[in-house]
Amino acid sequence: NAGVTQTPKFQVLKTGQSMTLQCAQDMNHEYMSWYRQDPGMGLRLIHYSVGAGITDQGEVPNGYNVSRSTTEDFPLRLLSAAPSQTSVYFCASSPRGGGGADEQFFGPGTRLTVL
Amino acid sequence: GENVEQHPSTLSVQEGDSAVIKCTYSDSASNYFPWYKQELGKGPQLIIDIRSNVGEKKDQRIAVTLNKTAKHFSLHITETQPEDSAVFFCAVHNAGNMLTFGGGTRLMVKP
Repeated sequence: NAGVTQTPKFQVLKTGQSMTLQCAQDMNHEYMSWYRQDPGMGLRLIHYSVGAGITDQGEVPNGYNVSRSTTEDFPLRLLSAAPSQTSVYFCASSPRGGGGADEQFFGPGTRLTVL
Repeated sequence: GENVEQHPSTLSVQEGDSAVIKCTYSDSASNYFPWYKQELGKGPQLIIDIRSNVGEKKDQRIAVTLNKTAKHFSLHITETQPEDSAVFFCAVHNAGNMLTFGGGTRLMVKP
């Protein structure tokens, strides 16, 4: 199993550009989520999904969209990038639809810089 | 929403000493309390967790204690080794489908 994979590893955007961060898992996990990590602030939940076709907002959803058309994939879209979105983004998955009450398996992260 | 505070933000210990990291939370309905370790350039990995019906859990040199009345839980690492150096995060899960993380503790173990 590859586990949780994320692409790209690094990305530089200009303000106003849009892009999609890809996340895939091959463990047949129901729950998937996106976090951003900023210095001194831990990981903050952006969006999550408890199964294909179901998504919901986390703590910091503004400026981001998600969709979950398959169990395996959970892309994160930045609609119009802003410097405040400069961060490291982590995708995570866990086995059951109950979400955060199980071990989260994290991907390696995407480091995004918005100029 | 849930508020999780983690202390200290940095911790430096001598090899062989013990390290303790503490977290407090606000929602009394919280029921699952994991700890994650993050090495440089990698995603966090679960090292130990505890559920609300248990007061203490131990796994070799790592232990977690939970005080639900006071709404705090702690990570204890004994006989620290240089490879324990990393950033540690506590997290809290409540009735919703969300996990809330603390701000992290950078642990440095000096040989």
